[in-house]
Amino acid sequence: SQTIHQWPATLVQPVGSPLSLECTVEGTSNPNLYWYRQAAGRGLQLLFYSVGIGQISSEVPQNLSASRPQDRQFILSSKKLLLSDSGFYLCAWSAALFTGDTEAFFGQGTRLTVV
Amino acid sequence: AQSVTQPDIHITVSEGASLELRCNYSYGATPYLFWYVQSPGQGLQLLLKYFSGDTLVQGIKGFEAEFKRSQSSFNLRKPSVHWSDAAEYFCAVGARGGYQKVTFGTGTKLQVIP
Repeated sequence: SQTIHQWPATLVQPVGSPLSLECTVEGTSNPNLYWYRQAAGRGLQLLFYSVGIGQISSEVPQNLSASRPQDRQFILSSKKLLLSDSGFYLCAWSAALFTGDTEAFFGQGTRLTVV
Repeated sequence: AQSVTQPDIHITVSEGASLELRCNYSYGATPYLFWYVQSPGQGLQLLLKYFSGDTLVQGIKGFEAEFKRSQSSFNLRKPSVHWSDAAEYFCAVGARGGYQKVTFGTGTKLQVIP
């Protein structure tokens, strides 16, 4: 069966420091991968998605970037964190692009606090 | 583009009482509809989904939802709530035949009191 792993679970970082969050999927090939951010009262905001190795699409302009160095690995990064980057970050995967006729499966999330 | 509204930010119910969480969507045709649940500090788990066919959808953990085209709604229901149902619930909508990614609502936080 397919599983998705996301780490770390919690992270406290000072303003201006770099960030690297990692997500890996097991049990499937060529998944579509996603990074969401969840802020209080704002639901889930799609940040990036990837349909293949090296292919990254950004949904919103921001201080973050994403990379997909391997088929089942998705990384969220920042060179210099801002206070506004604090939030709950979720990685997800789907077999086909998550436009509605398929479902997405979510990781356990990373709580990022920028201080 | 599609959109989804969850009018209730926070709901409190007594254990054993019935539950209905509201979800309204905006889309010009029949959408794909989802309900996800998020336990505190956890990821999202799919409760149920509507793709086509029967408008009353059964999900996991005793939940059901009914797609009502005339009201543009997809409300989530459970006849008797358990304390373990305390969580945040997200409704989501997808568009058929397009490339817009699924859009999530802002969530409804459910509190269950003994």
